[in-house]
Amino acid sequence: NAGVTQTPKFQVLKTGQSMTLQCAQDMNHEYMSWYRQDPGMGLRLIHYSVGAGITDQGEVPNGYNVSRSTTEDFPLRLLSAAPSQTSVYFCASSYSGRGTYTDEQFFGPGTRLTVL
Amino acid sequence: EDQVTQSPEALRLQEGESSSLNCSYTVSGLRGLFWYRQDPGKGPEFLFTLYSAGEEKEKERLKATLTKKESFLHITAPKPEDSATYLCAVTISGSARQLTFGSGTQLTVLP
Repeated sequence: NAGVTQTPKFQVLKTGQSMTLQCAQDMNHEYMSWYRQDPGMGLRLIHYSVGAGITDQGEVPNGYNVSRSTTEDFPLRLLSAAPSQTSVYFCASSYSGRGTYTDEQFFGPGTRLTVL
Repeated sequence: EDQVTQSPEALRLQEGESSSLNCSYTVSGLRGLFWYRQDPGKGPEFLFTLYSAGEEKEKERLKATLTKKESFLHITAPKPEDSATYLCAVTISGSARQLTFGSGTQLTVLP
């Protein structure tokens, strides 16, 4: 299993540009989430999904959109990038099924985004 | 407001010098407390989950403990390869699996 994969690893955008951060997992995990990590602030939840077709907002959702059309993929869209969105973005997933789930979340390697 | 506070922010140890990292939490209804390890340029790597006060878990030189207010990550006889940032996070009952993280402790183990 490749686990949780993210692309790209690095990205530089200009203010106002749009882009999509890709996240995929091959573990058949129903739960997927996006976090951003900023110096001195820890990781903060942006959006999460408990299964295909179901998404919800986390702590810092403004400026980001998500969708979940398949179990494997959970892309994060920046519609109009701002310098405040300069951060490292992590995708995570965890198992759920048959009326139960595990709490442990597995993280991808991250995407480092700079908005000029 | 739910809060997770880790201390110290940074810790430098000599190889073999045991110590503890602290994670204190103020939350309304703890479901689980998690410890992750993060190496530079990489994503967090899961270490432990603790669910109830008095629970302990061990993995190699690491031992995690939990009380009603805080968790400790004890590092026994650390080696340079234990150098990393250690993150503490909690989930709250009724909040799915949303992790609330502390800001981490950066551990450096000198040879």
